[in-house]
Amino acid sequence: DSGVTQTPKHLITATGQRVTLRCSPRSGDLSVYWYQQSLDQGLQFLIQYYNGEERAKGNILERFSAQQFPDLHSELNLSSLELGDSALYFCASSPAGRADTQYFGPGTRLTVL
Amino acid sequence: DQQVKQNSPSLSVQEGRISILNCDYTNSMFDYFLWYKKYPAEGPTFLISISSIKDKNEDGRFTVFLNKSAKHLSLHIVPSQPGDSAVYFCAVRRGTGANNLFFGTGTRLTVIP
Repeated sequence: DSGVTQTPKHLITATGQRVTLRCSPRSGDLSVYWYQQSLDQGLQFLIQYYNGEERAKGNILERFSAQQFPDLHSELNLSSLELGDSALYFCASSPAGRADTQYFGPGTRLTVL
Repeated sequence: DQQVKQNSPSLSVQEGRISILNCDYTNSMFDYFLWYKKYPAEGPTFLISISSIKDKNEDGRFTVFLNKSAKHLSLHIVPSQPGDSAVYFCAVRRGTGANNLFFGTGTRLTVIP
């Protein structure tokens, strides 16, 4: 158990819909990262938040947005969903100053029908 | 454009033998290399890493080798155990920053008892 929790575990929705994925980092970790893993792809970095502020951005679509709340949990919002958005979405957290040490949650499997 | 490639999607090895997982990267500017292990229904967990100033790093049964001239990274597991059966991801990094970390597509290792 990495200490990072993600909800829900599975999500099935239709094209055009909007969903929210939730992540709680390990206790004390200030950084949260979001990754997307599509079929036969590596983990693609989406976005990082540090103590409530956006710190780094990867290949995140404009239809996707994220935020980190004062209690440090984070949400990833995916809107106008397309079939190609079906993927595993991982959240990770790291201690301050230790970006190379990321602890991953179990992921949320999103299926868009 | 894939920055890092794991060309073998799967590998099967007898228990007690050596497992060798390979990874190739494209950019000679990458300076830090990591391996993660992922069990089903769990997120990736950090396994071992190596800096570009070294060519070998060992941690128990796990050894990572770096060949900078060939832009090639490998993970050796000796002896392999059934509990090592998992998906292994290599990751490469250039400098700091979450958006400078790139993951391969993973190799599924099966260790046969």
